[in-house]
Amino acid sequence: SYVLTQPPSVSVAPGQTARITCGGNNIGSKNVHWYQQKPGQAPVLVVYDDSDRPSGIPERFSGSNSGNTATLTISRVEAGDEADYFCQVWGSTGGHVFGTGTKVTVL
Amino acid sequence: EVQLVESGGGLVQPGRSLRLSCAVSGFTFDDYAMHWVRQVPGKGLEWVSSISWNSGSIGYVGSVKGRFTISRDNARNSLYLQMNSLRAEDTAFYYCAASENYADGLEIWGQGTLVTVAS
Repeated sequence: SYVLTQPPSVSVAPGQTARITCGGNNIGSKNVHWYQQKPGQAPVLVVYDDSDRPSGIPERFSGSNSGNTATLTISRVEAGDEADYFCQVWGSTGGHVFGTGTKVTVL
Repeated sequence: EVQLVESGGGLVQPGRSLRLSCAVSGFTFDDYAMHWVRQVPGKGLEWVSSISWNSGSIGYVGSVKGRFTISRDNARNSLYLQMNSLRAEDTAFYYCAASENYADGLEIWGQGTLVTVAS
């Protein structure tokens, strides 16, 4: 089955840039989606199809995807961005596959 | 207001059954594929099952195949998950979610319902 690997944690100071990677075999050939999940809440889609943003998501959230790595970038990080982030693709065997998740801590 | 509201969770003994429901409002239900995703508290997300808008495409994660059945009633704007032969490892929050197409990102989520399988 298809595996997506994320770093367990990323720490960033307010106002700086956080980059969260999602590694998978030839992930550049797939559409990657990113979710933000705050404690006690349901996930929220923040980036879809590699780099598009749903309405209401700040421009500070952006995405890229090439080769074996997709990246979610959060610019000008705010305290409210502290959350778990998950990448997701449609797997080759027919099913949604989620990444292992990354906890973003704002210092 | 767009809403997905799950219900039917609770404590159930191993080997027993449970049926989850997801009531949808605020958007055209039969324009969307629907999904169930679960999450063990404190852990990651796991896709469980998906169903296309007309029930023509259905998929399951391997660990629930043959035990869980997804279905939808477009007339009632509702999604269901029939869970049989439950195991302790099925204990999790179960979220319903919606996407415009079967393989798209999940753009709308419910708040989840907790299923606990224990004796």
